[in-house]
Amino acid sequence: ETGVTQSPTHLIKTRGQQVTLRCSSQSGHNTVSWYQQALGQGPQFIFQYYREEENGRGNFPPRFSGLQFPNYSSELNVNALELDDSALYLCASSLGAGETYFGPGTRLTVT
Amino acid sequence: GENVEQHPSTLSVQEGDSAVIKCTYSDSASNYFPWYKQELGKRPQLIIDIRSNVGEKKDQRIAVTLNKTAKHFSLHITETQPEDSAVYFCAASILSDYKLSFGAGTTVTVRA
Repeated sequence: ETGVTQSPTHLIKTRGQQVTLRCSSQSGHNTVSWYQQALGQGPQFIFQYYREEENGRGNFPPRFSGLQFPNYSSELNVNALELDDSALYLCASSLGAGETYFGPGTRLTVT
Repeated sequence: GENVEQHPSTLSVQEGDSAVIKCTYSDSASNYFPWYKQELGKRPQLIIDIRSNVGEKKDQRIAVTLNKTAKHFSLHITETQPEDSAVYFCAASILSDYKLSFGAGTTVTVRA
């Protein structure tokens, strides 16, 4: 198992609400990325943080936002939740060499 | 942006046989190609990766090949075992930015 942890494991929210997901990266990894994995699909890149700055963003609207803290942990915030936001949200950390390790994910269900 | 296509979407093999999954990518700047295995309800797990300066890499029963000219790469699993049953994803990225573009996945079932 990797050292990437995420919380919570599961979450149920109502359409229109806001949610915050949390991630602790593997020790020493200064780059954290977030991915959305809909059922039966591959992960889709949301955005990446490097040394507390956003370092690239995928094709997701501004209501998806994030933060990275000095200890390299990270948050993903989603505002105005929609039914299509139901998915597994994966945090991934990396440090050089291209190797990226995923956390266990947060399963978000929007009703 | 990068577009990664993966085939087949499902693959059923007899235990002991080989399994091959193929992926193509569109961005010639991509130079890093990892493969992930995801078991039901678990995180994607990095099983092998290859960089564009290498044509083939092996790790026990798993091998990956890369053809930069044709922009395709493949995963080969030999002597398949029931524990190899999972969804496999290929991905592509530029090493310096770590943003992975994934294929749609291949569900591999190994029949005992």
